[in-house]
Amino acid sequence: EAGVAQSPRYKIIEKRQSVAFWCNPISGHATLYWYQQILGQGPKLLIQFQNNGVVDDSQLPKDRFSAERLKGVDSTLKIQPAKLEDSAVYLCASSKVPALEQYFGPGTRLTVT
Amino acid sequence: AQKITQTQPGMFVQEKEAVTLDCTYDTSDPSYGLFWYKQPSSGEMIFLIYQGSYDQQNATEGRYSLNFQKARKSANLVISASQLGDSAMYFCAMNTGGTYKYIFGTGTRLKVLA
Repeated sequence: EAGVAQSPRYKIIEKRQSVAFWCNPISGHATLYWYQQILGQGPKLLIQFQNNGVVDDSQLPKDRFSAERLKGVDSTLKIQPAKLEDSAVYLCASSKVPALEQYFGPGTRLTVT
Repeated sequence: AQKITQTQPGMFVQEKEAVTLDCTYDTSDPSYGLFWYKQPSSGEMIFLIYQGSYDQQNATEGRYSLNFQKARKSANLVISASQLGDSAMYFCAMNTGGTYKYIFGTGTRLKVLA
């Protein structure tokens, strides 16, 4: 069974530029999560999807971050415009049902200069 | 509000010995799940073990066991017979409520010594 796929693995951009990350969850997993992990900290949930609907986006900075999950499968997370404090690893995870364990992708390391 | 606390920023253990990583939680929801994840230096988060709030027995998965003390709101991870490959960051996590929103602790960095 293929794991959670993410791309790109690394991205360097200048502040005020835009960037997009892609995630493909494990087949059959209805729940998809995007996390931001700043160096030395635990992951912080940005948004949670159940199929293609948003369940929780209370910690998503909506003035600059957006996410979508078309057709309940792949998802993209966008930042526009980026700030220096957005430098972090962005993790995508999926689970079969929300109550159970999550499976994580390798993450995208974003550096904003 | 839900909260996860990991008070040990770093731990050392000798190879082949057992080690306990501490985790306390706070929630008013009677239904919740507790999880432990491992994050090696490569960065990928790996699920280790799960404990449901209504589970009567402590969860075990191979060398991992979860010491669940509901009254004390603690969910400590015990790793038996430590191996060099166990060196990593370990995160305690909880999900609660109708949306099963996840929160993570700040992590404990474990170093296994040869």
